Amino acid sequence: GAGVSQSPSNKVTEKGKDVELRCDPISGHTALYWYRQSLGQGLEFLIYFQGNSAPDKSGLPSDRFSAERTGGSVSTLTIQRTQQEDSAVYLCASSSAWVASYNSPLHFGNGTRLTVT
Amino acid sequence: QQQVKQSPQSLIVQKGGISIINCAYENTAFDYFPWYQQFPGKGPALLIAIRPDVSEKKEGRFTISFNKSAKQFSLHIMDSQPGDSATYFCAAIPGNTGKLIFGQGTTLQVKP
Repeated sequence: GAGVSQSPSNKVTEKGKDVELRCDPISGHTALYWYRQSLGQGLEFLIYFQGNSAPDKSGLPSDRFSAERTGGSVSTLTIQRTQQEDSAVYLCASSSAWVASYNSPLHFGNGTRLTVT
Repeated sequence: QQQVKQSPQSLIVQKGGISIINCAYENTAFDYFPWYQQFPGKGPALLIAIRPDVSEKKEGRFTISFNKSAKQFSLHIMDSQPGDSATYFCAAIPGNTGKLIFGQGTTLQVKP
């Protein structure tokens, strides 16, 4: 079946503009995660949606970042008033269980490469 | 601060050799240790994973060795091939949180 789909694959924006990044998880997957990967860096946790429960926003770096998940499926990550330090690859992942685990691993999309000029 | 520390940052191995990547963790509440493989322009893909009640897991040419007392685990790639050239991330999950904590990654180059 289809994997995790992210769009756009690339986004170039000017400093100060708002951007929206979209994630379509694997059909039926309950948990959805957003991670950020900066050049040459590891993956930084941003936010986690567990079914219809309130999201875990503990990784969002500032209040310019927000995310929502509609109907328990598609998610949108919004960055307001983008800054150059926001340039990174934003990765979405989903899991078939309430939380990622040994039996329900995370499946990642190919990411959106965001460049803020 | 829960952390996973990964080394080396980069690794060059000849074809047919053994690639070894090491990770160390600080939190004993971690209960799942996956390794992810990432090719340029692609998202990370699960390669192999281990639970802390097992000391070793092997899948084909890939083996995880886990030392609970030392809080260390490592990935061994036997008979390394040029197609194995990628970035490898170790990770750990604190029990029931679902939030993977990743190491910094190791860029592996296998020379033909």
